[in-house]
Amino acid sequence: EADIYQTPRYLVIGTGKKITLECSQTMGHDKMYWYQQDPGMELHLIHYSYGVNSTEKGDLSSESTVSRIRTEHFPLTLESARPSHTSQYLCASSEDSPGYTFGSGTRLTVV
Amino acid sequence: QQPVQSPQAVILREGEDAVINCSSSKALYSVHWYRQKHGEAPVFLMILLKGGEQKGHEKISASFNEKKQQSSLYLTASQLSYSGTYFCGTFDSGAGSYQLTFGKGTKLSVIP
Repeated sequence: EADIYQTPRYLVIGTGKKITLECSQTMGHDKMYWYQQDPGMELHLIHYSYGVNSTEKGDLSSESTVSRIRTEHFPLTLESARPSHTSQYLCASSEDSPGYTFGSGTRLTVV
Repeated sequence: QQPVQSPQAVILREGEDAVINCSSSKALYSVHWYRQKHGEAPVFLMILLKGGEQKGHEKISASFNEKKQQSSLYLTASQLSYSGTYFCGTFDSGAGSYQLTFGKGTKLSVIP
């Protein structure tokens, strides 16, 4: 079944560590997105990509970076994690329709 | 421009109806509706394209008034499973934009 996968599901790390959140999709979608969401709150777009070698920053300023070397893979990297990065990170993909497919998310806690 | 959702929260008893509104100050190309249950990812419900169409999903339907730049989500005879936060997402009519802008969400609680 076509889907979108995020790993890890939960992550607790120390301040200053470098981390990479993984996102892969099997649907062949060109468009992929990263959203940051605090529990029960709104979705903030932090990065998006329209295809291989295409990446853009979203509306919310973020200290993270992304890459898109393969269509199916869209990892997000934090070079030096801080407690302010504690949040849930959701990856999504889409074609022109019928809508976004979201991954299960990575719940990140920086201590 | 972030769409505005109302109400922010609503509590219903099983079997009651509810309406969630989503409005924008910009001309819209389409409106998406998503439902997110606690601790889960948002799930796509439906998309409405400009043209004033209505759509349905089980006992959930929606309308899109292009002139008013507004969409409404109608939940009929609510069930416990309808509980969650509902987000609308909008695409502006400007060219080249493939990113949804989400509203702040409406938290819906259905109680027995």
